[in-house]
Amino acid sequence: GQNIDQPTEMTATEGAIVQINCTYQTSGFNGLFWYQQHAGEAPTFLSYNVLDGLEEKGRFSSFLSRSKGYSYLLLKELQMKDSASYLCAPMDSNYQLIWGAGTKLIIKP
Amino acid sequence: GAVVSQHPSWVICKSGTSVKIECRSLDFQATTMFWYRQFPKQSLMLMATSNEGSKATYEQGVEKDKFLINHASLTLSTLTVTSAHPEDSSFYICSAKGQVEVDEQFFGPGTRLTVL
Repeated sequence: GQNIDQPTEMTATEGAIVQINCTYQTSGFNGLFWYQQHAGEAPTFLSYNVLDGLEEKGRFSSFLSRSKGYSYLLLKELQMKDSASYLCAPMDSNYQLIWGAGTKLIIKP
Repeated sequence: GAVVSQHPSWVICKSGTSVKIECRSLDFQATTMFWYRQFPKQSLMLMATSNEGSKATYEQGVEKDKFLINHASLTLSTLTVTSAHPEDSSFYICSAKGQVEVDEQFFGPGTRLTVL
């Protein structure tokens, strides 16, 4: 079956760095997306990885290892506004996004 | 990035009434639109996928006669919740995919439905 595994909740301090890990199993693979979702709002796109390695975009970086079925999202210089849920969503062979429950990130001053 | 709008943002209705939610892609042509439902603290659940001009493909367990989806143009899809009941209260989110880079889905802001 198809499966996403992320920690349910993480806590970090403002200004620090946090890494959110994601392991996945899908029927086929056409890349992996990370989305940010604030409470009561729709998800917003953060990153897309289709090849192995690290993609950096400002304070956010995303890493993919296809052979290990593993990805992580790295957030640097954390700000209070980064408090949100972070959704790891691989795309299967039908180009359909597979969604987990996400990781709720709590930022403390 | 591409913009997707939804209307209304929130709606409260009585049990037994029908509610229509619109999803529009404002600056691109959406060949495919997706309808999701999300209950509090749960993951997004795909309800159906619709391609312009053809019937929607519903996920297992989603009643197609209760959740009517119309994708009549490349910029508009509608979801009608017929004879809504309190258990249909949820956050409904649409996303759209067109001929844009990396097959990204662009999400609308969502519609919060409360059925009394």
